[in-house]
This record gives sequence, structure tokens and C-alpha cells, in this order.
Amino acid sequence: DAGVIQSPRHEVTEMGQEVTLRCKPISGHNSLFWYRQTMMRGLELLIYFNNNVPIDDSGMPEDRFSAKMPNASFSTLKIQPSEPRDSAVYFCASSLRVQETQYFGPGTRLLVL
Amino acid sequence: EDQVTQSPEALRLQEGESSSLNCSYTVSGLRGLFWYRQDPGKGPEFLFTLYSAGEEKEKERLKATLTKKESFLHITAPKPEDSATYLCAVHRTGGGNKLTFGTGTQLKVEL
Repeated sequence: DAGVIQSPRHEVTEMGQEVTLRCKPISGHNSLFWYRQTMMRGLELLIYFNNNVPIDDSGMPEDRFSAKMPNASFSTLKIQPSEPRDSAVYFCASSLRVQETQYFGPGTRLLVL
Repeated sequence: EDQVTQSPEALRLQEGESSSLNCSYTVSGLRGLFWYRQDPGKGPEFLFTLYSAGEEKEKERLKATLTKKESFLHITAPKPEDSATYLCAVHRTGGGNKLTFGTGTQLKVEL
């Protein structure tokens, strides 16, 4: 079975540009999570969805970040405008149901110059 | 606020030299404690979930245990392929689906 799929795997952009990260959860999973990982702060939850509905976005750093889940098999995390401090690895994870084990994708390594 | 502290930050072992990694947590009500393994350039890979004090789980050379304040990941006779960062995370009762992660222990096993 395919795991969580993320694209792109690497993104280099300039400050002020829009960045869109994409995620396809494991088929049949009802919960989807977006995390950010940095050396300083470790893994932080940004937002999560249950049945395509955003449940908790308290980790989204500011209005420059937005996330959508238009259907059960696709989600996007958008940063507009991007800033150098957004440079990090962004992970998407999914779980079968609420409060079950989360399975992570390979991540998108973002560098904002 | 939930807190997860892992120690040591880094650990270097010789092949075959057993040791333990620690995860101390503060949470209002523990629903589950998770261990993940993360290799460089990859996403965290699920290892174990522990739900109650006294519970133990094993997988190959790894054994995870849980008390009311901490969890240990015991590594018996490690091999170089066990080298990775090990992450601990807690899930709080009433916390929705949010996991709070520690910053990890970076393990290096040398020949």
C-alpha cells in the first residue's frame, strides 16, 4: 500500500513568493495533519482535519499560512507571502480515525531565500 | 500545557552495547504515548503506542515501557542500522487529535 505522499520533496523559493505544499493521505484515513519540523522547535502541529473539516488550526503561525482539504484524498498547505523564517521541513500525516496512530509522509524541505 | 522532554539529546553506542532512552512527560491525562523513529531526510516512522503505566511493547531489539511520569526505550545489543533519531510524543485525553512531540534523541551505533 502507498503511504502518505507529499510533493514537492524540495522547494527553494525567494522571499515574498507563494508556496504550495501538497499531500495525499493514506486511502481510507479520515484524519490529516500538517506539521513543521525545525532544529530549534522540533515537530510542531500546524493544523489537522477530520473528514475534510479543519478541527484545530491553533498551530498555524500567522495569516500567511492557510490549509485546505477539498476532498478525502488531497490537502494543500499554502504560504503567501513566504519569509526566510518559514524555512523548515513540512510533514503531512494521516490516521485511520481520530486519536489513532499517525503515519507520516516523507516531508517537503522548504528553503526561502 | 503538555510537555515532553527526551534525554539524552544524543547518544553514541558501540555495536552490542545496550542502553535506554528516556522520555519524561507532563500531561493532564495521558491517552497514549507514542515512539517514532526518524532517519535523516525521512518522515517519522511509527514504532509503538503505550496506553497505561506498566505496559511494555517489544519489536526486535527495541522494548518500550511506560510509567506514570516517563517512558523508556530500551535498545538491546544495538546494530549500526538502529542509528536514527527516536521521537516520543504524547496524546492527551480531551486534546482532540493533537500529539505533542519531544525534540528527540539522536542515536549513533558504531561498529
